[in-house]
Amino acid sequence: DTAVSQTPKYLVTQMGNDKSIKCEQNLGHDTMYWYKQDSKKFLKIMFSYNNKELIINETVPNRFSPKSPDKAHLNLHINSLELGDSAVYFCASSPGLAHTDTQYFGPGTRLTVL
Amino acid sequence: GQNIDQPTEMTATEGAIVQINCTYQTSGFNGLFWYQQHAGEAPTFLSYNVLDGLEEKGRFSSFLSRSKGYSYLLLKELQMKDSASYLCAAMDSNYQLIWGAGTKLIIKP
Repeated sequence: DTAVSQTPKYLVTQMGNDKSIKCEQNLGHDTMYWYKQDSKKFLKIMFSYNNKELIINETVPNRFSPKSPDKAHLNLHINSLELGDSAVYFCASSPGLAHTDTQYFGPGTRLTVL
Repeated sequence: GQNIDQPTEMTATEGAIVQINCTYQTSGFNGLFWYQQHAGEAPTFLSYNVLDGLEEKGRFSSFLSRSKGYSYLLLKELQMKDSASYLCAAMDSNYQLIWGAGTKLIIKP
């Protein structure tokens, strides 16, 4: 059983398109995250949700909109895709916001914008 | 600003020991994590330190010095499967993880 799953694994699209990435966790965790890992391998937090509520919203363009229909799902919708959006996007979850909570990562979605 | 520094790449020999260093500067501190990431895969948790000292877990150990803003990951009896990137991440006062760029470890036979 996959703990944190993301779909699709690969996404190739044209500039200006709108796309969504889905994330689901079956660990019963309260907190979910979206990270962007660029070509230099830095992991940058984008959003964090706790029990469906937005906790962290880093400085990302408002073209990126997360949606959490329930605490097991956190989807990422991206409007008007740009070349610089090309990266690997990781979803993660943790039991809660406690500082000892380990974050479990999904397999990643490699987004390529042409 | 907040910053994590770790070497970009290291090479070691199968069966040997390697130490990967990490220095951090964060606004407040709530612990230091090490993650392993194989090429094309997601990061997986290795260790968490919040108190000074060495935590041993099988072939892997992690050390923390809060006063020096310094941590290291020690890998013993290296195996080929240990070839991966090792990510250091410090948790700041807002419980956000600040990530380093990772150290790519290459293991040679």
